[in-house]
This record gives sequence, C-alpha cells and structure tokens, in this order.
Amino acid sequence: DGGITQSPKYLFRKEGQNVTLSCEQNLNHDAMYWYRQDPGQGLRLIYYSQIVNDFQKGDIAEGYSVSREKKESFPLTVTSAQKNPTAFYLCASSSGQATGEKLFFGSGTQLSVL
Amino acid sequence: QKEVEQNSGPLSVPEGAIASLNCTYSDRGSQSFFWYRQYSGKSPELIMFIYSNGDKEDGRFTAQLNKASQYVSLLIRDSQPSDSATYLCAVRYSGSARQLTFGSGTQLTVLP
Repeated sequence: DGGITQSPKYLFRKEGQNVTLSCEQNLNHDAMYWYRQDPGQGLRLIYYSQIVNDFQKGDIAEGYSVSREKKESFPLTVTSAQKNPTAFYLCASSSGQATGEKLFFGSGTQLSVL
Repeated sequence: QKEVEQNSGPLSVPEGAIASLNCTYSDRGSQSFFWYRQYSGKSPELIMFIYSNGDKEDGRFTAQLNKASQYVSLLIRDSQPSDSATYLCAVRYSGSARQLTFGSGTQLTVLP
C-alpha cells in the first residue's frame, strides 16, 4: 500500500537529548513537510522540502533540524535547543503543481519530555 | 503574519441538523482553501478544497468561498455522530509555494 510511515508512534526525550523522528513515503512525492500540533491548536509548519537535498524553514524551525538525502525520506531531529518539544508531530507529502493538490499525512508521532 | 481564524467551539448540533463551520483569512492574495477533518489522536484527512468564489458540493459537504469578505465555510448536512471531530481550515497563500497555513480548528460534536 502507498502511504507515509512515521515512527515511532510515541517517543520520550530526556533533557539535553536529541531525538530523531522518522518519515518515509512511497508515493513518489517531491514535496515533504513537518508540522507540529499542540493540544487544541492547529498545525504549525516546522520545515519543508520541495526537492531532494533542499529544504526550507517554516514558521517554527528553531530547535529543529532536517535532512533530505533521499526522495522517500525526510527525518526530523528535535534538538536539545528546543525547550518545549512536547507535541504531536505530523509528516506530510504532496505531489503535483495543481492548486488543489492534496497533502497526505502520516499517522503522527507523540513526543513527550521525561 | 498571515493568519487563519476559526471559532474553536465546541460546536454542538443534533443528529440530522446542518453544521456550519466558519473560517476567515488575512491575505487577499490567497489562492486555495482546504477543509480537513481530524479525529482525536489521528492525522488530518482532507474533506474538500475550493479555489473559486461560490459553492462546491461533495455529498453531504458544501464548501463556500467569498474572497471579497475573505471568508470560507463548510456546511455538513444531515450531521451524523461520526462527524464529531475537529475541523481544520487551511489556506495556501500566494507566493507560499506549497505550504499551507492552518487555523486552530473547530471542535464539532453531533449529539445522537
């Protein structure tokens, strides 16, 4: 089945630790995104990538880093510089140029601080 | 700062009624508009998108866009308990490549 796979589903971070969230897609999509969602809030864009080996900061990039070495993969690292990392993290991808192109979401990773 | 505003609710309607969800946006140059449904603890799923003024219907769902008033709405006819979820409005602003800006969502409860 085609789709986006995020792992792990739950992740716990100790103070001062970097953690990496995985996102893999087999939809052959060019664009990939990372969003953060806090309780009762909408989605805020962390980083996005429109092509391999290129990515751009979103609205809340501080304390996060990404890489896009392969079309299928867009991992997100939550660094120790992110002081309030507890949130639901969503990875998404999209394909074409059309105005109404659809975002496909993964199932999300819930990150909590120990 | 380009913003998308939604009434957070909660909005409660009886089963079979019409639920009306509203969204306003700040940039007149916005190009396209999306409604996502999100169940608790799950990822959002696209219900509809619209980019022309007027109404767009898909089954029990109707999206309405008024660019002059910078207003987009979602109507759900014959509401069912399974429609109970948070509804997120998202806007693609002009010049924003493929990114979407999301509202904070409206929580809808359909009462049996």
